Amino acid sequence: NAGVTQTPKFQVLKTGQSMTLQCAQDMNHEYMSWYRQDPGMGLRLIHYSVGAGITDQGEVPNGYNVSRSTTEDFPLRLLSAAPSQTSVYFCASQAFSGNTIYFGEGSWLTVV
Amino acid sequence: TQLLEQSPQFLSIQEGENLTVYCNSSSVFSSLQWYRQEPGEGPVLLVTVVTGGEVKKLKRLTFQFGDARKDSSLHITAAQPGDTGLYLCAGGPSGSARQLTFGSGTQLTVLP
Repeated sequence: NAGVTQTPKFQVLKTGQSMTLQCAQDMNHEYMSWYRQDPGMGLRLIHYSVGAGITDQGEVPNGYNVSRSTTEDFPLRLLSAAPSQTSVYFCASQAFSGNTIYFGEGSWLTVV
Repeated sequence: TQLLEQSPQFLSIQEGENLTVYCNSSSVFSSLQWYRQEPGEGPVLLVTVVTGGEVKKLKRLTFQFGDARKDSSLHITAAQPGDTGLYLCAGGPSGSARQLTFGSGTQLTVLP
């Protein structure tokens, strides 16, 4: 039972590079989201999706793009990485009818 | 923007001691959740409280939602080293638990 799977686990980028963090869930959840976690700041919502083809911005969307072409996948794209995007990124999914959010194990991103 | 403040930020205690962690806001939340996060992993849901004054128990953990639904507490009785972790509270806006606002967390260390 995989749950929410994130790749890569660790990544180092140079300023200005682009990359995609992958997220997949096998629970057929409608709702998926991306958070970033920084020391002393808890988790902040970047983007979320309530279903395939539908995405919306969260609290800190600048510098990130998302798309939701299937129910299972919700990739997060960094268009031009900046040191301020150094963080731990968590993907999460939730059933439309439920209150439990299931988190992936996180992706550690360092931008130098 | 709804804010959640957690206190204390750090807590180090001896095995067998009791402790209480607080989560406070000036805003009303329709629901409040508590998560525990261990190093290298995503947060895992412990409990959801939805009714003002509600008390829920999970073994040695007792969760309470304030009467006005603006605050919550987590009390651990006879703490054990296995309780070590980052405890996060998260509040849901009116009518939805999906777009959560997270507190900054309490890092608990229980020493054997």
